[in-house]
Amino acid sequence: GAGVSQSPSNKVTEKGKDVELRCDPISGHTALYWYRQSLGQGLEFLIYFQGNSAPDKSGLPSDRFSAERTGGSVSTLTIQRTQQEDSAVYLCASSLSSGAQTQYFGPGTRLLVL
Amino acid sequence: GEDVEQSLFLSVREGDSSVINCTYTDSSSTYLYWYKQEPGAGLQLLTYIFSNMDMKQDQRLTVLLNKKDKHLSLRIADTQTGDSAIYFCAAGLGFSGGYNKLIFGAGTRLAVHP
Repeated sequence: GAGVSQSPSNKVTEKGKDVELRCDPISGHTALYWYRQSLGQGLEFLIYFQGNSAPDKSGLPSDRFSAERTGGSVSTLTIQRTQQEDSAVYLCASSLSSGAQTQYFGPGTRLLVL
Repeated sequence: GEDVEQSLFLSVREGDSSVINCTYTDSSSTYLYWYKQEPGAGLQLLTYIFSNMDMKQDQRLTVLLNKKDKHLSLRIADTQTGDSAIYFCAAGLGFSGGYNKLIFGAGTRLAVHP
């Protein structure tokens, strides 16, 4: 596609439920990143993929968070047993390679945990 | 670790220049970025500067880098209402760990009024 796409654009869930957030990177981009943007905060790095492997997952806040990437393309971020503090905008970005200077961002998924 | 700080809010009159400031702590940052986020949208890369440069100009945008003081600024000439957005400064840590890890500031909300 022309840009990074994410789905859903908005998600409202109840505390304790699991959610899956999807990211489609720009075609041909091998590097993929997930960030979290909490209200009034900057972007917090979560995880980085190169191809299907995740060399850096140091930003995942707890073991309730996991992510995978298949076929070197689509990535899914899963949050299990959601908590209210998980409410945030989850942004995905991709870059042509891990050595590229520029990351291109998707529109984000706005998650609200009630 | 790297820390990036920005003032949170700036208000300017339409037609005036806007200057958004940012400081960072890691002197080894190789690239410094400015991203723009409009309401409900993802981050749009505005411009970036390599750390061995002092200035970069791109149409109405001028980026100044003072590497000694670890200070980055974005000047928007002839600010328009369409420039109203949140502007994020980011520092690239330069491929340590195999990729260009970005550390973001909290964002500066620019409000342009008539």
